[in-house]
Amino acid sequence: GAGVSQSPRYKVAKRGQDVALRCDPISGHVSLFWYQQALGQGPEFLTYFQNEAQLDKSGLPSDRFFAERPEGSVSTLKIQRTQQEDSAVYLCASSLMGTGDKGQPQHFGDGTRLSIL
Amino acid sequence: AQSVTQPDIHITVSEGASLELRCNYSYGATPYLFWYVQSPGQGLQLLLKYFSGDTLVQGIKGFEAEFKRSQSSFNLRKPSVHWSDAAEYFCAVVNTGNQFYFGTGTSLTVIP
Repeated sequence: GAGVSQSPRYKVAKRGQDVALRCDPISGHVSLFWYQQALGQGPEFLTYFQNEAQLDKSGLPSDRFFAERPEGSVSTLKIQRTQQEDSAVYLCASSLMGTGDKGQPQHFGDGTRLSIL
Repeated sequence: AQSVTQPDIHITVSEGASLELRCNYSYGATPYLFWYVQSPGQGLQLLLKYFSGDTLVQGIKGFEAEFKRSQSSFNLRKPSVHWSDAAEYFCAVVNTGNQFYFGTGTSLTVIP
């Protein structure tokens, strides 16, 4: 497609449930990023992939968060045993090149708004 | 460590008036700086970026930003604001690993 696509747009889950958020980056983009955006805040980095390799997961808040990109295109962010503090918008972004090209613009999806009850 | 500060949480301007949104960064080397805009329920759209060279950069939608190393600033400006400019604006600095650090954003309200 023309842009980064994320699904679902909205997700409501009960505390303790597992959720999976999907990101379909722009075709051909090497880099893929996940961000968490709390209400009234800027996006905060969670994790980064270059093709299928997860090169940085330093921003994942706990071991309940897991991300994968097995074929170097679509990525899934999974949150296990969700907690209320996980409620946020989860943004996915992709960029054309890898980390050797510092400053490549990131193209963002519209995000998934996750609400944990 | 790299970081971005946007001192103004919320700004209100009249349509047709000029606009300046402030951004201060902290970064040890030459910074790569970006401004993004986010409309409600939407992702972030790139307005402009600075890597090197001319310190005044032009972006989309009539926006420009000026990099001032001495002040560690990268303020966003627009000479005449339109009602459609109402949105959240984020400044970001990127590190060597291409990891973006965003400010907390400035919410812009435009009054007729």
